[in-house]
Amino acid sequence: DQQVKQNSPSLSVQEGRISILNCDYTNSMFDYFLWYKKYPAEGPTFLISISSIKDKNEDGRFTVFLNKSAKHLSLHIVPSQPGDSAVYFCAARTPLFSGSARQLTFGSGTQLTVLP
Amino acid sequence: DSGVTQTPKHLITATGQRVTLRCSPRSGDLSVYWYQQSLDQGLQFLIQYYNGEERAKGNILERFSAQQFPDLHSELNLSSLELGDSALYFCASSDGGSHGYTFGSGTRLTVV
Repeated sequence: DQQVKQNSPSLSVQEGRISILNCDYTNSMFDYFLWYKKYPAEGPTFLISISSIKDKNEDGRFTVFLNKSAKHLSLHIVPSQPGDSAVYFCAARTPLFSGSARQLTFGSGTQLTVLP
Repeated sequence: DSGVTQTPKHLITATGQRVTLRCSPRSGDLSVYWYQQSLDQGLQFLIQYYNGEERAKGNILERFSAQQFPDLHSELNLSSLELGDSALYFCASSDGGSHGYTFGSGTRLTVV
């Protein structure tokens, strides 16, 4: 049962244009959503996050949008740069309940290629 | 350097063997997580430790085990290895903040 899904395994975009990466989730209890970026031979690195009580968070060229009613989030990168070429993972965090452990559930990733 | 150290970076071993992967978390982080990434797959959660105690288990095989020591470093033990165990194994640590986890650079395990 995949609770976090990234349905597009790959995306190609021209340099300077907008990149939009999508993610869907099924568990309405997730309290935080995060995007990670991964280059080959490196571990994933944190990019941007959003609380479930917000609908938008912006950090420079990166903006994450959350649509709770649709259980959908997206990452917008504007303008896209060749250095943005990487695998992007969407992740969702379970809240901390008594006796439970907070953990992240990851999507399968989307390979973004930004063409010069 | 993320602050999470994983050793070794690469490991090649034969089927049926046993290996140990090591992880030192970022200074101050009490939680350690292990993930497996097989070819073209996402990050599969294996197990979590918090301050020496197991807190959550994911899709971890019975042939795999882990522990976290008093100095907070963690080891993932993989035994009776099969070809299908070939993957990248990531360790991550967390302080419970909104940035989620900090990942190490991974150990690439190849079973031949």
